Amino acid sequence: DAGVIQSPRHEVTEMGQEVTLRCKPISGHNSLFWYRQTMMRGLELLIYFNNNVPIDDSGMPEDRFSAKMPNASFSTLKIQPSEPRDSAVYFCASNSGSGASFTQYFGPGTRLTVL
Amino acid sequence: GIQVEQSPPDLILQEGANSTLRCNFSDSVNNLQWFHQNPWGQLINLFYIPSGTKQNGRLSATTVATERYSLLYISSSQTTDSGVYFCAVASRAQKLVFGQGTRLTINP
Repeated sequence: DAGVIQSPRHEVTEMGQEVTLRCKPISGHNSLFWYRQTMMRGLELLIYFNNNVPIDDSGMPEDRFSAKMPNASFSTLKIQPSEPRDSAVYFCASNSGSGASFTQYFGPGTRLTVL
Repeated sequence: GIQVEQSPPDLILQEGANSTLRCNFSDSVNNLQWFHQNPWGQLINLFYIPSGTKQNGRLSATTVATERYSLLYISSSQTTDSGVYFCAVASRAQKLVFGQGTRLTINP
């Protein structure tokens, strides 16, 4: 299996621009998670989906952030408009979502820099 | 919300040494996982261990859920063990809360 795939791996943009991060979970996994990692706040869960349905988005920092999962093999995290404080590494993770398969598998992350 | 505290924050050891990393949490949990973040930033799941003991090679973990702590043991450390070790817990199935991590440096 290819593991969780994220794109792009690096993104540099200017304040005010729209940013779209993409994630392909491991095939067969039905739960998908978006995390953000910063030096100040560590690793934070932003939102997670189960069977393509958003279950908990309480970690989404504000309305500028939105996430979608149109099908079982694709999700996006969008920031519009972006701000310098959004600079962070964004991780996507997936798992089977049941019993011993709560184990989460992380993608390589997208390093976002907003100038 | 649930609080997660890891200790020590930093640990520097020589190759071949053993180490114990601790994770304390403030509430009962039904999900606890240990992760290793390598120097390139990749997060690797080590254990899913809401209770009991598990072993995988030189690594083992024990969670005492009734006393709200978990321990990660690393034996015969290698330089490739360097990185940050995170404990993450959830009292509601999938909503993991991460600790601040223990930064482990193994010197040759």
